[in-house]
Amino acid sequence: KQEVTQIPAALSVPEGENLVLNCSFTDSAIYNLQWFRQDPGKGLTSLLLIQSSQREQTSGRLNASLDKSSGRSTLYIAASQPGDSATYLCAVNQAGTALIFGKGTTLSVSS
Amino acid sequence: DGGITQSPKYLFRKEGQNVTLSCEQNLNHDAMYWYRQDPGQGLRLIYYSQIVNDFQKGDIAEGYSVSREKKESFPLTVTSAQKNPTAFYLCASSTLAGRNTGELFFGEGSRLTVL
Repeated sequence: KQEVTQIPAALSVPEGENLVLNCSFTDSAIYNLQWFRQDPGKGLTSLLLIQSSQREQTSGRLNASLDKSSGRSTLYIAASQPGDSATYLCAVNQAGTALIFGKGTTLSVSS
Repeated sequence: DGGITQSPKYLFRKEGQNVTLSCEQNLNHDAMYWYRQDPGQGLRLIYYSQIVNDFQKGDIAEGYSVSREKKESFPLTVTSAQKNPTAFYLCASSTLAGRNTGELFFGEGSRLTVL
């Protein structure tokens, strides 16, 4: 059964720092991987979607990479800002199932 | 505006009562999903539907029921059989290309509290 793990569970950084969030999955037979952001008490907002044939996707200060063979993805956030404070979740899509989520990394960026 | 609308945002229920959470989307998406979120547990799948009049159980379907009579709507009923229903419920939708799920869009969630 697919398991998705995100480490660390929480991260605190000063404003301006570049940071990396990690996501690992146990079964490499995935169609795609998605990164989401969740603010407290809110729904999830899609950040990036990487198809299994792709190695990375970029959107503004965000860059997500995918190494399917090793079961890993990273979300790189450049020049972090206090507004980036949120919980970041990754999820994988396997054939015939809905997305399977990790438990998230809660990021706090201090000014 | 296109998107997913969940209602109500907050709901209080007495033990033994059934409640229904509404989820409507105007994105013309084929697939719709219900997830439950508890502190420290991440999102867990309750039910999902890839086509009208069809749906599949997720990992924690016991005590819940759904219907998909229209493409736009996927209501979730939390029955009295659900032993611990207090949680944050999230509805989502996506396109489908074969078995490849497209980008997932979420509603703002419904917080259910059992008194």
